[in-house]
Amino acid sequence: GQQVMQIPQYQHVQEGEDFTTYCNSSTTLSNIQWYKQRPGGHPVFLIQLVKSGEVKKQKRLTFQFGEAKKNSSLHITATQTTDVGTYFCAGLRDSNYQLIWGAGTKLIIKP
Amino acid sequence: ETGVTQTPRHLVMGMTNKKSLKCEQHLGHNAMYWYKQSAKKPLELMFVYNFKEQTENNSVPSRFSPECPNSSHLFLHLHTLQPEDSALYLCASSHVGTGGPYEQYFGPGTRLTVT
Repeated sequence: GQQVMQIPQYQHVQEGEDFTTYCNSSTTLSNIQWYKQRPGGHPVFLIQLVKSGEVKKQKRLTFQFGEAKKNSSLHITATQTTDVGTYFCAGLRDSNYQLIWGAGTKLIIKP
Repeated sequence: ETGVTQTPRHLVMGMTNKKSLKCEQHLGHNAMYWYKQSAKKPLELMFVYNFKEQTENNSVPSRFSPECPNSSHLFLHLHTLQPEDSALYLCASSHVGTGGPYEQYFGPGTRLTVT
């Protein structure tokens, strides 16, 4: 079945370094959503990308949707301790409008 | 506060017990979801209800039984669970339009421990 692969599973960074997580789908997606889950919390919606090649920014976060609408990335510039958590992508399947979740990337700031 | 509430927040139950998890959304959404979150599978969709009708059941064992009496309330009835069912159970809601579901709003979750 259709899957959304998300990598890496974990990323350890020094505070101030950049962070990137990638999502890849086996088939074309209608759109892709990104969520953040803080430790001990619940997933919170960040953004939705709909158009081919779309790029959106939220302060230090940059979200991209690939030209073929099969892949997406989230890039955080100059990470801060408040960025710690797990970032999930979720792609909307064309055929039945089901949201397919990636496994998440956990951002860990090295002490 | 996301407009989605879940009770109880923590639950410890024996394998022979019967309990229910409750979710309520105050956002006027027309779809509700149950997810299981554990170390093995970070976010696993269990059930989807659109306009009170179940549209998705991702091969969930029958010891989990959902109920959606109206578009604002969702229950998950639990019976004869196994220790491996211990996890965080998250409820979410969203609006669903002609183009599919919009973003989901999650409740705080119920931390379930099966002894």
